[in-house]
Amino acid sequence: QSVLTQPPSASGTPGQTVTISCSGTNSNIGSNIVNWYHQLPGAAPKLLMYGDDQRPSGVPDRFSGSKSGTSASLAISGLQSDDEADYYCAAWDANLEGWVFGGGTKLTVL
Amino acid sequence: QVHLVESGGGVVQPGGSLRLSCAASGFSFSVYDMHWVRQAPGKGLEWVALTWPDGTTQDNIDVVKGRFTVTRDNSKDTLYLQMNDLGVEDTAVYYCARASNYGISGFHDYWGQGTLVAVSS
Repeated sequence: QSVLTQPPSASGTPGQTVTISCSGTNSNIGSNIVNWYHQLPGAAPKLLMYGDDQRPSGVPDRFSGSKSGTSASLAISGLQSDDEADYYCAAWDANLEGWVFGGGTKLTVL
Repeated sequence: QVHLVESGGGVVQPGGSLRLSCAASGFSFSVYDMHWVRQAPGKGLEWVALTWPDGTTQDNIDVVKGRFTVTRDNSKDTLYLQMNDLGVEDTAVYYCARASNYGISGFHDYWGQGTLVAVSS
């Protein structure tokens, strides 16, 4: 059972917008930044979003992040087949004094 | 160019030990927080431990349970994870990751390719 809660799966057709949610508590998302990672099968995770809504260089602006209270979201617009991957949210948890991850969301492009 | 290369994984019997290494290059290793994150087969990411630039550490007590020790050698630009008393539940790909500070928190901006630890009799 992951500390941060994500839907196990999400899907969309090419060109659509998909949103992945990440729910936490006041000790993690409610008081610290949220980061997002994506992971292709057999590959290492890669940073996709940091500081709630900041894109690292090279990440297209089709990807956007937001946060409100103890929940965060990752939106992917103009969905492409290359976006098929597992997506994870993460945050520092002040009570646990450690990093916590969501269980991951498998995105399928239909 | 930032490069993180893990090594030291393999097959080990329950109760055995392994020492993982993560060789860093392309950045000033000594000024960055470094982390170990693991991923069991078909499962999600799980934070294991971190070491700050001065060598102090923090770990996931639910994972480590006093069995794992994270260390670093800033003179060799290398991160280590000594794992003792391994159990089948420790079977996973172990990633090292660099963390950059952001406000009072941070983010894992570079990850190694991972090294597989398989605990089996």
